[in-house]
Amino acid sequence: AQKVTQAQTEISVVEKEDVTLDCVYETRDTTYYLFWYKQPPSGELVFLIRRNSFDEQNEISGRYSWNFQKSTSSFNFTITASQVVDSAVYFCALSGPNAGNNRKLIWGLGTSLAVNP
Amino acid sequence: KAGVTQTPRYLIKTRGQQVTLSCSPISGHRSVSWYQQTPGQGLQFLFEYFSETQRNKGNFPGRFSGRQFSNSRSEMNVSTLELGDSALYLCASSLGQWGQPQHFGDGTRLSIL
Repeated sequence: AQKVTQAQTEISVVEKEDVTLDCVYETRDTTYYLFWYKQPPSGELVFLIRRNSFDEQNEISGRYSWNFQKSTSSFNFTITASQVVDSAVYFCALSGPNAGNNRKLIWGLGTSLAVNP
Repeated sequence: KAGVTQTPRYLIKTRGQQVTLSCSPISGHRSVSWYQQTPGQGLQFLFEYFSETQRNKGNFPGRFSGRQFSNSRSEMNVSTLELGDSALYLCASSLGQWGQPQHFGDGTRLSIL
């Protein structure tokens, strides 16, 4: 069975602090995709990044960076120098191989990040 | 490029009624997926449509149904509404190939009284 665990339910930081959001996944598949989405208070889920299971390179995009480690089944997300606008719920999701119902996204329960001024 | 559009944004219904939600995908996107989001269960997959055919289905009762039109617009219907159906219903579109990121609308917040 596939599963995504985001152990941190809520995180509160002060602006300019660095913060890491954890994501641990379970799957028996050797090929899969991992995603991070952001959901601000307005409700719309915003796609942040996609990672293929064969690509373990870390990625940096501005203040955002992602650390993908297959050995620990983790795909962690770090925000450097956090800002108030980063306040949102962040979701990690997993998609299995291109076969039948495995195509659907399996979601973690999300981590609510509050960045205080 | 216009994003995913969902209508209406808010709905209030009573138990036993039925409701239809609408979703217009991003132009060129042929896949439309529907999700239910609640505080207790998080995001749960309802179904996916691709080229007017249901391609995937989640574990929801038959009261939840959907369809997709030739222009890729999709509708979701819930019949015999129950209090537990109160949720944010999100629609997402993508090009349809596995691994393509899904792009979400603002959602329809359904409240059952």
